[in-house]
Amino acid sequence: NAGVMQNPRHLVRRRGQEARLRCSPMKGHSHVYWYRQLPEEGLKFMVYLQKENIIDESGMPKERFSAEFPKEGPSILRIQQVVRGDSAAYFCASSPPGTSGGYEQYFGPGTRLTVT
Amino acid sequence: DQQVKQNSPSLSVQEGRISILNCDYTNSMFDYFLWYKKYPAEGPTFLISISSIKDKNEDGRFTVFLNKSAKHLSLHIVPSQPGDSAVYFCAARGSTGGGNKLTFGTGTQLKVEL
Repeated sequence: NAGVMQNPRHLVRRRGQEARLRCSPMKGHSHVYWYRQLPEEGLKFMVYLQKENIIDESGMPKERFSAEFPKEGPSILRIQQVVRGDSAAYFCASSPPGTSGGYEQYFGPGTRLTVT
Repeated sequence: DQQVKQNSPSLSVQEGRISILNCDYTNSMFDYFLWYKKYPAEGPTFLISISSIKDKNEDGRFTVFLNKSAKHLSLHIVPSQPGDSAVYFCAARGSTGGGNKLTFGTGTQLKVEL
């Protein structure tokens, strides 16, 4: 039973380029979350999505960042015109539908974005 | 404002002894708490959780205690093993408005020494 998959694992972009990070949730999971971890900090919530819907984007920067979870295919976190401050580890998590099983979220290995 | 705080950035324990990791929170609307373990260059791994209606949950070597009045929870690992050396994050889920998003502490680096 494959876990949460993220690709690429490492991504290097020059300032001004676009970064696309992909996340495939665990089988049977329909809820996807994106978190960002800056150096020496904890994980910070960015966005919570269900299929074709953004449920909570309260942690997303107002500009340059967007996320989607289409009916088919992985969830995508897109960062336009990257700046050095975007360099971080981006983690995706997923959880099953409903809450009978608790609120555990299961994380992928992360994408480490470096902006040069 | 840091709603979930882990005030000890690091902890060193001898193998076989008990490890106690602490976490404090300020938001009384949190209704579910989780502990994650993280190795370098990997994603966090879920360890154990507790609902706000309970005060203790146990799973093998791991026990989480919740003191709602003090807004404090702790993770006990006994006996500690070298493989437990990792960063441990406390996380909390909000019951209203915030949906299922988790708020994380800054982590405690646990080192279990032989």
